[in-house]
Amino acid sequence: KAGVTQTPRYLIKTRGQQVTLSCSPISGHRSVSWYQQTPGQGLQFLFEYFSETQRNKGNFPGRFSGRQFSNSRSEMNVSTLELGDSALYLCASSPRTGAIYNEQFFGPGTRLTVL
Amino acid sequence: AQRVTQPEKLLSVFKGAPVELKCNYSYSGSPELFWYVQYSRQRLQLLLRHISRESIKGFTADLNKGETSFHLKKPFAQEEDSAMYYCALKPANDYKLSFGAGTTVTVRA
Repeated sequence: KAGVTQTPRYLIKTRGQQVTLSCSPISGHRSVSWYQQTPGQGLQFLFEYFSETQRNKGNFPGRFSGRQFSNSRSEMNVSTLELGDSALYLCASSPRTGAIYNEQFFGPGTRLTVL
Repeated sequence: AQRVTQPEKLLSVFKGAPVELKCNYSYSGSPELFWYVQYSRQRLQLLLRHISRESIKGFTADLNKGETSFHLKKPFAQEEDSAMYYCALKPANDYKLSFGAGTTVTVRA
């Protein structure tokens, strides 16, 4: 099976702009989670989508949003970019079957730089 | 709210020496604990989870609820163990992971 893919891999934006990141999960996986990774804050959970619905949300401002499509692909949007949004954004997919935790498989990440 | 603490940012050991990565957590309920690893230029991947009680690549981790710890251990470190290791917690009835800050392990020949 192909792994989780994320596009683009690298992105440079300026303050005030908005950005959309894309994540394609492993085939058959219905849950997609997003994480922000920075040297200062480490890995922080942004949100999780399952069956096109946001199921969990981390402590990030409303400028961070996402959505999931019927094919389980997910997009994450950040509006009004700030310098502090520079980070590696990781996407993880999981089958999310039943109550037992299913392993999350991570993508390579999108490196966002805000100038 | 849950919190995961990895007190060591860097850990350097010689090949063949034991290695222990510390992880402490705070959570009021019964969490699930995991260790994730990221080798150089590779993706973050699951190393082991406490409910499996298994040894992966020679690593083991025991959940100590009394001390709220989930330390990762390997009796004889190998050079290929050099990587970044993250401890993570999943709350009961929730599906998000809270990660520690990570520990970079360097195994020297």
